[in-house]
Amino acid sequence: EAGVTQFPSHSVIEKGQTVTLRCDPISGHDNLYWYRRVMGKEIKFLLHFVKESKQDESGMPNNRFLAERTGGTYSTLKVQPAELEDSGVYFCASSHLGQDLNTEAFFGQGTRLTVV
Amino acid sequence: GQSLEQPSEVTAVEGAIVQINCTYQTSGFYGLSWYQQHDGGAPTFLSYNALDGLEETGRFSSFLSRSDSYGYLLLQELQMKDSASYFCARREAAGNKLTFGGGTRVLVKP
Repeated sequence: EAGVTQFPSHSVIEKGQTVTLRCDPISGHDNLYWYRRVMGKEIKFLLHFVKESKQDESGMPNNRFLAERTGGTYSTLKVQPAELEDSGVYFCASSHLGQDLNTEAFFGQGTRLTVV
Repeated sequence: GQSLEQPSEVTAVEGAIVQINCTYQTSGFYGLSWYQQHDGGAPTFLSYNALDGLEETGRFSSFLSRSDSYGYLLLQELQMKDSASYFCARREAAGNKLTFGGGTRVLVKP
């Protein structure tokens, strides 16, 4: 079974440009999460999809960030326009619906975004 | 401040035992997860506690005390490959989202 995959693995862009990150969750996982780790600090929650619906976007830093999950499969996270403080590692995770142990989240390798 | 507190770094020798403590805020708490992350890699699930007590998975064990808002990860018979960052993460009651601690960097020396 393929794990959570993210693309690209690295991205270097200039301030003001646009970047789109992609996440392919594990097949059959209805929950999809985006997290971010900035400057070696803790991993912080950005938002949560259940299928194609945004369940919780309380962690999105501002309106420069737009996440979509059309069709309830893969998800994209667009940053437009990018700022220097957006640099960090963006992780995607997916899980089954529910609350028991079998709903533990599986993470992708992350996209390392550097804004210069 | 952070809702989870864990030590920033621990150093130990091969074969030793390391305990990583984690304290958390209780509001909305559903359970405590532990993840391992090697440099440049994906956080990998290690263990989960929803109820008080000890969960053992091979060389790694995790403990939870809900009354004390405290848990720990125990790494036994340390190996060089265990050098990594270890995160405790609070699973929220709503939506299963995770709130992470700052991570504990474990360095295993020969």
